[in-house]
Parts: sequence; C-alpha cells; structure tokens
Amino acid sequence: DIQMTQSPSTLSASVGDRVTITCRASQSINIWLAWYQQRPGKAPKLLIYKASNLETGVPSRFSGSGSGTEFTLTISSLQPDDFATYYCQQDNSYSEWTFGQGTKVEIK
Amino acid sequence: QVQLVESGGGVVQPGRSLRLSCAASGFTFSNYVMYWVRQAPGKGLEGVALISYDGTKEYHADSVKGRFTISRDNSKNTLFLQMNSLRPEDTAVYYCARHHYEYSTGYGMDVWGQGTTVTVSS
Repeated sequence: DIQMTQSPSTLSASVGDRVTITCRASQSINIWLAWYQQRPGKAPKLLIYKASNLETGVPSRFSGSGSGTEFTLTISSLQPDDFATYYCQQDNSYSEWTFGQGTKVEIK
Repeated sequence: QVQLVESGGGVVQPGRSLRLSCAASGFTFSNYVMYWVRQAPGKGLEGVALISYDGTKEYHADSVKGRFTISRDNSKNTLFLQMNSLRPEDTAVYYCARHHYEYSTGYGMDVWGQGTTVTVSS
C-alpha cells in the first residue's frame, strides 16, 4: 500500500504569508496527486489535481508542484478564508487512492 | 446543479447493519467513478470504497473489507454503502464523492455530498 505523509501537521501563519505544505509518497505515484481544503464542518473541496492543475474557480494564489514521491502545495499570500485543513491524496489506481493525514493552517 | 445528497446515517449498536445512500443529480451519473470517504470525529479523511462507472470494479479499504459493500444503481442515479458488523471505530461522517472526470481515475474528487453521520455505540 502507498502511504502518504504530510508535513507539517500544523502550521501557524499570518495573513499575507507564503505557505508551503509538503506531501511525500512511499513510492512513486507519477503526477497522480490531488490537494483538498476542508473547513470545519464542511466537505472537502478540490483545489489541485494531477499535481499542478488548478481546479476551476480556485484562486490563483494556490499552486501545486512535484512528481514521483514529493509534492508541494503553496499558497502565495495567505487570506483569511485559507485558514483550514489541507489534505493530499494519491490517486494512482482503482485500488490505490489514499489520503495524507492533513495539515492544519492556523492563525499566528 | 451538480449535487450529491447522502442519507441513511444514524445511531446503531455494534454488530448491527446500516445502508447509506447517495442520490446524484445534475450530471450523467453512469459515466463517473464514485467513492465513499469517511472522517472520524477530530480525525483525517479515510478512503472507504470506490466503484467503477459501470459497477464492474470495486475497491474496499482493508479496514472495512468483508464488512462493507459499495454498489450503485445507474438507473436510479444512486450510490450505496452496505455496512455490516459495525464497530465503534466505524463512527464517522460518511461522504460520497464523484471522480473529477468521466470514465477514469487519477484526477481527484470534485463533487462531494454534505455527509451523513454514523454513530456505532451500545
């Protein structure tokens, strides 16, 4: 089974900060990685798919990069709406589509 | 509009069964891979099950294999999760979700329901 490890688990930042979250896969997943944002009490929202493709309607301050086993989600200038928990998800095949443990972005 | 609406959650005793439903609307349901994802209180997301667009392929997480079964009725635009032999650790919000693109996997889940809560407790 492919394991996904996110770091950090919690991140404290201020409005306007540049924020980077890392996701590592236990084996290569090529570019089959998605990122989600989840606010408390809400369903997850797709931000990025295929490692670097911005989902329609998602602000351009979000970007994704990486391939193989190491991936990053970057928020270029943190906004008040961005304080949430972020999850990566590998989507390698029908039987391999696990989530990372999540990264909570908190107000500093 | 594109929508997924889950139902069937509730409080159930350990060892009992429950069937979740997810009603889809606003898109051609039969063209999409569908998922069940759960989230235990205060925890992260856990993939539970996946089913191919035509229902011929299924995947279940090890944690539910042999107890839960995903299925779909494309004539009724509905996804199901039959949950048997429920355990306290199955307590979670259960979400259904749609794959981003038709007929494939690999691109994430772009449409999610609001979730239905399952509580397993005596």
